[in-house]
Amino acid sequence: AQKVTQAQTEISVVEKEDVTLDCVYETRDTTYYLFWYKQPPSGELVFLIRRNSFDEQNEISGRYSWNFQKSTSSFNFTITASQVVDSAVYFCALSDRKTSYDKVIFGPGTSLSVIP
Amino acid sequence: EPEVTQTPSHQVTQMGQEVILRCVPISNHLYFYWYRQILGQKVEFLVSFYNNEISEKSEIFDDQFSVERPDGSNFTLKIRSTKLEDSAMYFCASSRTGGAYGYTFGSGTRLTVV
Repeated sequence: AQKVTQAQTEISVVEKEDVTLDCVYETRDTTYYLFWYKQPPSGELVFLIRRNSFDEQNEISGRYSWNFQKSTSSFNFTITASQVVDSAVYFCALSDRKTSYDKVIFGPGTSLSVIP
Repeated sequence: EPEVTQTPSHQVTQMGQEVILRCVPISNHLYFYWYRQILGQKVEFLVSFYNNEISEKSEIFDDQFSVERPDGSNFTLKIRSTKLEDSAMYFCASSRTGGAYGYTFGSGTRLTVV
């Protein structure tokens, strides 16, 4: 069965602090995809990154970085030098071949507040 | 940048009424989806649509729901007889190559059933 856990419900940081959002996933499949989406206060869902199960390279995009570790089934997201505009709900998500790549399962989300 | 357009942004309907939520996916995308998010909760998969038919649906997507691509540009979600628990944000999404490559979501339609 698929499951995505984001244990941190809410996080508050002061601007310019680094923050890591945790994501732990469960799947019985060996082929799967992991995603992060951002939902700002305006409500839309913004795609941030996709990672497939065969690519464990960490990725950096500006102030954002992602740490994928299959050994611990984790796909954590770090924001460096946080800014007020980073305040949003962040969702980790998973799709796998056995269930269907078209059925993406979202975690419960982590609400990040960046305080000026 | 191409975007997925959803209308209306907010719809209020009376319980038992039919409602149609509309979406215009990105023009060269082939896969279409509906998700919903009850206020403050997780985003839930409803249905995926490819090649003019449903490819996957969740247990939420029961007989009161239907989807249609009536022309080459629109993708609609119909709820036949709305219930109070259908109140949620409904997101349309599209993808050129399928869910494994990530979606582009629309900005959502907030449905309020009273």
